This record gives sequence, C-alpha cells and structure tokens, in this order.
Amino acid sequence: DTEVTQTPKHLVMGMTNKKSLKCEQHMGHRAMYWYKQKAKKPPELMFVYSYEKLSINESVPSRFSPECPNSSLLNLHLHALQPEDSALYLCASSGASLTNTGELFFGEGSRLTVL
Amino acid sequence: AQTVTQSQPEMSVQEAETVTLSCTYDTSESNYYLFWYKQPPSRQMILVIRQEAYKQQNATENRFSVNFQKAAKSFSLKISDSQLGDTAMYFCAFMRNTNAGKSTFGDGTTLTVKP
Repeated sequence: DTEVTQTPKHLVMGMTNKKSLKCEQHMGHRAMYWYKQKAKKPPELMFVYSYEKLSINESVPSRFSPECPNSSLLNLHLHALQPEDSALYLCASSGASLTNTGELFFGEGSRLTVL
Repeated sequence: AQTVTQSQPEMSVQEAETVTLSCTYDTSESNYYLFWYKQPPSRQMILVIRQEAYKQQNATENRFSVNFQKAAKSFSLKISDSQLGDTAMYFCAFMRNTNAGKSTFGDGTTLTVKP
C-alpha cells in the first residue's frame, strides 16, 4: 500500500496542451518533492517544498510549474512540454525537521508521454 | 558536492543465495545519512535500509544488512537468502543532515534473482 498517492498514473499530452499532475500524502510530512525519472536512471530532483514554501528549484524549465496548496497536496502544472520531457514523474514526502530520518516516501509515479 | 557511485550496473543471483551490491560516495561532511532504495519493475520505490554516519554499528533489516566503512566511504548492501521478489533496481543515496531536502542518488544496480 502506498501512502503517497499520485494521479493520473498515465498521461499522454501534446506539446500545446496544459495538464496537471497531483500528489497527496496524509502522513503529516512537511516536505514534498517532485522528481523526474527516465528509464533505468536514478530520480532527478526537480522541486522541494518545505512547510508549503518552495525551498529548492533545480533550475527546472518554466514549462513545469509546481504548486503546494496545503501541507498534504502537491501539484505539478505542465504547459508547452517537449517530447524529451516524457518520463516517470515521482512525488515523494518526508519529515522536514533537522531530526527527521531523511527517508523519502515515494508515490507510484505518473508516466507522462509528450507527443 | 557529493557524489555516489554504484559500479555494478547489473547483477544476478540464484534464489536463496547471498549477493552484495557496492556503493561508494564522496563527501567532505562528517555527519550524513546513507540509504538503499529498491524500485521493483513498474512499482514504487521504497526504502530498504538506512545508516546514520555517526553510528559505527552496521544497520540490519531482516535479510538486508550493510557494510558501512566510513573511512573508505563505502556502503555496500548484502542481501541474504535472496528471493524472487528482490528482483528490482537498487539505488544507493546520500543525504546531508542539514539539508533534508536533497538526496544524491547513485546510478543504480539492476538485480535479477533467478529461480
């Protein structure tokens, strides 16, 4: 059972479309993350939200726009994507205090295909 | 900047046998966390085992144990009594204590357990 829920599981979009990926966790975690993962590669960090504020943006192109409406929800808005943006997008959460164990809890991912 | 190196892109093991996955890292930090994550095919990534750098005792979780050599900056994962369900991609990851938002992942090792 996953405690981080991502929707949709699969998404196909054209380069002119606007779509959103959604992520939800109810573990009381105060840090939430978006990662991008290509096949057979490690996850690449995109964004980190800590206490609902954007704390890390790994120089991600503006066609990806994150949003954290509250401590349980994380969205990734997609617009004017390129075919090379096709990947598995992983959401994760963790405790945010300095004493947290650092473990990341991942969702199952949203597999995005850009045509 | 931290780096994590997994030198074995692919490994295989017979069911019930023992296998060791290697991981080395480079950091100037003295306090940090190390992790092994497992990502089965088309399933979510989950934590296998965690090690705090200040602890000399090697972490163990049932059939999974680590050999943590801080001076050598080595963090290998031993899987005993391998099971078919252990087939997955395994990622070694590093995280600084004071920067809980950012984990550095190795390139991964694809482990196949053969019946």
